[in-house]
Amino acid sequence: GAVVSQHPSRVICKSGTSVKIECRSLDFQATTMFWYRQFPKQSLMLMATSNEGSKATYEQGVEKDKFLINHASLTLSTLTVTSAHPEDSSFYICSAGSASYNEQFFGPGTRLTVL
Amino acid sequence: AQSVTQPDIHITVSEGASLELRCNYSYGATPYLFWYVQSPGQGLQLLLKYFSGDTLVQGIKGFEAEFKRSQSSFNLRKPSVHWSDAAEYFCAVGADSNYQLIWGAGTKLIIKP
Repeated sequence: GAVVSQHPSRVICKSGTSVKIECRSLDFQATTMFWYRQFPKQSLMLMATSNEGSKATYEQGVEKDKFLINHASLTLSTLTVTSAHPEDSSFYICSAGSASYNEQFFGPGTRLTVL
Repeated sequence: AQSVTQPDIHITVSEGASLELRCNYSYGATPYLFWYVQSPGQGLQLLLKYFSGDTLVQGIKGFEAEFKRSQSSFNLRKPSVHWSDAAEYFCAVGADSNYQLIWGAGTKLIIKP
């Protein structure tokens, strides 16, 4: 299967700062990327869907000004958590899909801790 | 409404025993069905998927799942579990048009020695 990487795998930041998480498709071109958030012992919650070169589509209840998503190329999408607060602490997972596949390929996740 | 139900929040199985994890879905079209496994603090690994054809699909790590359209189910099975199978298992349903997935709540598998 295709490979998706995420960076960083773990980040700790102070409240009020911004954090950028990168998601890369390493061996295929991802026309669509997804960002999920996962709370402890819960399922994945889709935050937004992004298509290369266009604005992300956010799920209901997700603040687009707080969670900035950029999908500038077919291999890279970024999620920026702006003015992070402790309640933003979570496990963030990205995934990528393309016309060549009928499935999503998942990154290993990023553990964000906001102090 | 489209939904995926995993009725069991957690299941405890003795090592070497057989396993079945349940997944039921409600979906308007022919679904694409997936099972993923997640170890603590890790990302998701695809175990198996069903798109079409043979309704019994084989996956990695000795897992299999059977699509039963009449029951709207896609249960995951393994004949003999290993301690390393302890993890969270997620069932998901998707469509091919936009790859979006609808997720079950997950089932935590606990292995007794």
